[in-house]
Amino acid sequence: GQNIDQPTEMTATEGAIVQINCTYQTSGFNGLFWYQQHAGEAPTFLSYNVLDGLEEKGRFSSFLSRSKGYSYLLLKELQMKDSASYLCAVREYSGGGADGLTFGKGTHLIIQP
Amino acid sequence: EAGVAQSPRYKIIEKRQSVAFWCNPISGHATLYWYQQILGQGPKLLIQFQNNGVVDDSQLPKDRFSAERLKGVDSTLKIQPAKLEDSAVYLCASSLGGGIDTQYFGPGTRLTVL
Repeated sequence: GQNIDQPTEMTATEGAIVQINCTYQTSGFNGLFWYQQHAGEAPTFLSYNVLDGLEEKGRFSSFLSRSKGYSYLLLKELQMKDSASYLCAVREYSGGGADGLTFGKGTHLIIQP
Repeated sequence: EAGVAQSPRYKIIEKRQSVAFWCNPISGHATLYWYQQILGQGPKLLIQFQNNGVVDDSQLPKDRFSAERLKGVDSTLKIQPAKLEDSAVYLCASSLGGGIDTQYFGPGTRLTVL
């Protein structure tokens, strides 16, 4: 089984940088995903990490430490449209090709002017 | 490229009634998933299909939920009979299958059980 923890809510200022942390416990780690979800909309893919280190994609970066069971999502140059929930999700090795994701409860990010 | 399509977008029913949701995945995507997202929580996997076969349904409440993907493309999720606690958004996702596959989500069906 898996246990995924992330803060419930964070507030940041437009133009600033924010880091959203995620810790997880799993018996067979096979990748960590970050999704963005605006209210009333579907989750949209942001980033994927399977090896330790930093993955950068424009204003968004994601870091993974497998030994610590830890990841973070870094958002730079925050814009008002970044106000959304950010979901951390883990994929676990499983027999038979099962690769459904286990999601955390999400971090509600509020951007203030 | 067209995304994952779902219908209906909203559904309101009374408890003990039946309801069905439809999903059309991205063209060429062999793997299809149904997730349940209760308000304030992350999505929870209900079932995963690879083509028309079930890969994982360990979290599907089989006494009331059923799903099928008969021709390996579209899928239907059914709840019969519905309970109050089934009120949630039902998300369909698809992926190519295998490797470091990214799952792409549809807009979801928001179910309210009264």
